[in-house]
Amino acid sequence: AQSVTQLGSHVSVSEGALVLLRCNYSSSVPPYLFWYVQYPNQGLQLLLKYTTGATLVKGINGFEAEFKKSETSFHLTKPSAHMSDAAEYFCAVSGSSSGTYKYIFGTGTRLKVLA
Amino acid sequence: DSGVTQTPKHLITATGQRVTLRCSPRSGDLSVYWYQQSLDQGLQFLIQYYNGEERAKGNILERFSAQQFPDLHSELNLSSLELGDSALYFCASSAQISTNEQFFGPGTRLTVL
Repeated sequence: AQSVTQLGSHVSVSEGALVLLRCNYSSSVPPYLFWYVQYPNQGLQLLLKYTTGATLVKGINGFEAEFKKSETSFHLTKPSAHMSDAAEYFCAVSGSSSGTYKYIFGTGTRLKVLA
Repeated sequence: DSGVTQTPKHLITATGQRVTLRCSPRSGDLSVYWYQQSLDQGLQFLIQYYNGEERAKGNILERFSAQQFPDLHSELNLSSLELGDSALYFCASSAQISTNEQFFGPGTRLTVL
């Protein structure tokens, strides 16, 4: 069975500061991991994904995430926050269990960027 | 633009009524997912179809049903509507398997009065 936990439903950072959004997962099979962003009144869009290979994944808009199997984590970071990064961010895990693929989203973290 | 279209954009109806939400996936995508997003419940997975067949079921109420047609578009039917069904309903599509990223439509905002 898979699950995703996002620590912190709300995170505030100053413009120019480091963004760190936390995601921990549980999976009985090798996971595929995703980060999505949702701007107000829009659908979710993919930021980045990890399937296999390099554990540091770079995405759009300067975001990156590192897959750490030993810590079962896939935290999202960005070195310098921009006002336009204010949005809700969702971590998701996917994998096969008993021949059925399941896609599980976390509860989301709303990022606020302060001027 | 994700390539996923949803209609209608907004829907206002009364309790007890039935509505149908429509989704057209990206060209070539065989999987369609339905989600409900509300302030108190967050993003909830409802159901997934793959090439016309139900593939996975989430927190979908018995009053709700869905189907995927041969042309791959999908419909979500919500019946005996209650005030608590007011939410954003998203459709997403992906290529063949669930390990691929999902592309989300703009959503249908349902208001039940």
